[in-house]
Amino acid sequence: AQTVTQSQPEMSVQEAETVTLSCTYDTSESDYYLFWYKQPPSRQMILVIRQEAYKQQNATENRFSVNFQKAAKSFSLKISDSQLGDAAMYFCAYAGTASKLTFGTGTRLQVTL
Amino acid sequence: GAVVSQHPSWVICKSGTSVKIECRSLDFQATTMFWYRQFPKQSLMLMATSNEGSKATYEQGVEKDKFLINHASLTLSTLTVTSAHPEDSSFYICSARDRRAFYNEQFFGPGTRLTVL
Repeated sequence: AQTVTQSQPEMSVQEAETVTLSCTYDTSESDYYLFWYKQPPSRQMILVIRQEAYKQQNATENRFSVNFQKAAKSFSLKISDSQLGDAAMYFCAYAGTASKLTFGTGTRLQVTL
Repeated sequence: GAVVSQHPSWVICKSGTSVKIECRSLDFQATTMFWYRQFPKQSLMLMATSNEGSKATYEQGVEKDKFLINHASLTLSTLTVTSAHPEDSSFYICSARDRRAFYNEQFFGPGTRLTVL
């Protein structure tokens, strides 16, 4: 079974600074997808960024980028120029051939002035 | 595009009653829908996978007789919590997979908060 581990229950970053959220996963599959989801206080799950395992190039979406290390099974999220609206729970998720999402335990990100 | 709705957004019921939660894909057809449960300050836990026109596949430890799932059309899946008890109180989230999706991406509904008194 696949597992996703987020070792940082909480993180804090100052506005305009950069923060990196960690995620590791375990799988025996060779073809899979990785995601970062944001869950603000409204609890609506919002897709932040996705990465296909077969792509070596790290995905980027505006201020959000990932560092995907396939051999190390690591998938970290970097948020640049942090904004107050970035404050939320962030979940790392894995989807393999079964298409089911396996979520990590989440990291609560606080953004301070 | 890719909007998923849930109804109701919150519900309070008495112990022993049944509650139905609807999940609809508004602008796409979803061959597969997923139901999750989220306890306060915890992650999402997959309860079951719902495929249109067939029986749902439940995750280990989920009581299929308590959590009835029906996926009668390509845009609607329902979760019925039967004989609800206070321990069933939780936040229930559905997601839908667009049949055209290339990335196995799931689109999430806004969730339903269930409180059982």
